Amino acid sequence: NAGVTQTPKFRVLKTGQSMTLLCAQDMNHEYMYWYRQDPGMGLRLIHYSVGEGTTAKGEVPDGYNVSRLKKQNFLLGLESAAPSQTSVYFCASSYHGVGGYEQYFGPGTRLTVT
Amino acid sequence: AQKVTQAQTEISVVEKEDVTLDCVYETRDTTYYLFWYKQPPSGELVFLIRRNSFDEQNEISGRYSWNFQKSTSSFNFTITASQVVDSAVYFCALSEGYTNAGKSTFGDGTTLTVKP
Repeated sequence: NAGVTQTPKFRVLKTGQSMTLLCAQDMNHEYMYWYRQDPGMGLRLIHYSVGEGTTAKGEVPDGYNVSRLKKQNFLLGLESAAPSQTSVYFCASSYHGVGGYEQYFGPGTRLTVT
Repeated sequence: AQKVTQAQTEISVVEKEDVTLDCVYETRDTTYYLFWYKQPPSGELVFLIRRNSFDEQNEISGRYSWNFQKSTSSFNFTITASQVVDSAVYFCALSEGYTNAGKSTFGDGTTLTVKP
């Protein structure tokens, strides 16, 4: 039982390049999330999904796209990376129901855009 | 709109001291959920506790205890006899309602440093 995994763990991009971050969970959770964490700013929600095939915008969605083609996977895409997207990205998932709602996080992806 | 305030940005204590991390929340919903998460220096975020708005009972788990007071909209976290391993960033979070219960708003976090 791996919980939530993220690929890759580190990445350096040049301005304008694109990339996709992969998140996978093996807990059969309905909800999945992508956050970014910047120094002194806590966690900010980028996009989230309440089930397979559905996605929604969070607090800071600009410059990112997501897809949830399979229940266990949630992909975050950067089409044209900018230095402002340098951050640590966390994926999370949660069970939606009695006894649930807390989020389980992946180990994070440290992205640097030069 | 929901909001979580962790007014203490950084706290430093000496090992074996007790320490309380404050969390104040704002919500218009009568049904909501509160959480605490820990982020140690390794970087991973770990869930510690969940409380729903209908359950004001305080909780104790080993050296950790949580005090939930609806009257003051607070959900404070106390570590008794702190240890160096408690050094981490602690986040308080809030989710509203049932439909949005999985979607949380996080506070900015409190960095706790426990010195030997």
